[in-house]
Amino acid sequence: GAGVSQSPSNKVTEKGKDVELRCDPISGHTALYWYRQSLGQGLEFLIYFQGNSAPDKSGLPSDRFSAERTGGSVSTLTIQRTQQEDSAVYLCASSLTGGWTDTQYFGPGTRLTVL
Amino acid sequence: DAKTTQPTSMDCAEGRAANLPCNHSTISGNEYVYWYRQIHSQGPQYIIHGLKNNETNEMASLIITEDRKSSTLILPHATLRDTAVYYCIVRVAYGGKLIFGQGTTLQVKP
Repeated sequence: GAGVSQSPSNKVTEKGKDVELRCDPISGHTALYWYRQSLGQGLEFLIYFQGNSAPDKSGLPSDRFSAERTGGSVSTLTIQRTQQEDSAVYLCASSLTGGWTDTQYFGPGTRLTVL
Repeated sequence: DAKTTQPTSMDCAEGRAANLPCNHSTISGNEYVYWYRQIHSQGPQYIIHGLKNNETNEMASLIITEDRKSSTLILPHATLRDTAVYYCIVRVAYGGKLIFGQGTTLQVKP
C-alpha cells in the first residue's frame, strides 16, 4: 500500500519568508510525527499528534514553528520568517495508534534550503 | 529516557554477518529496544524491536542480554544495499516520539 508522502520534496526559500511543508500519513494511522535532520546532525523530534489529543509540541525549536493536523489525516508544518539555521530535511512519520510499542513509518522528507 | 551508546562506524564484508552493538545500561524495565536504519537520502526505516527475548524477522535478528543493558543487531548476510546509518533507540514509555542518537555508520564492502 501507499506509504507516507511529503511535499514538496525540495524547497528553496529566502530568509524571512514563510514556508509550509505537507505530510500525508498512511491511511488509517492515527499518530503523526514531525522530525528534522540538519546537515551533520542527528534526527530531532519536533511535534507529535495522536488522535484528538493535544499535540506534544515539546520539540519545536521556537514559536516560528507550528503544525496543524486537519481531519486527523494530513498535516502541515509551517515555519514563519525562515532563518538560515532552519535549513534541514524535515521528515514526517506515522504510526497506527501512537502507542509506545508502535512502529513509525517515515516519509522521504522535504529538503528545505533557506538562502 | 535511557541513552544509548553505539560505535561511530563499522565495516563488514559483503555476504558476511554484520553485528552492530548497542549499550543501554540505564534502560527501564518497561522500555523497548528499537532499531532503525537510514540509507543515504532516505527516511529512516524500521528494522526490529524487542523487550527481553531475542527477536528475528525477515530483515535481522535482535539479541538482548539477560540484564537488558546491551543488545546486538545482526544482519545475517550483509549486502551492499545494507550500507546505512543504524540507530539503536530505547523507546520512551509515553509520548510516542523516538529519540535518535548519532547511530553507527555501517559500510558493507565488496
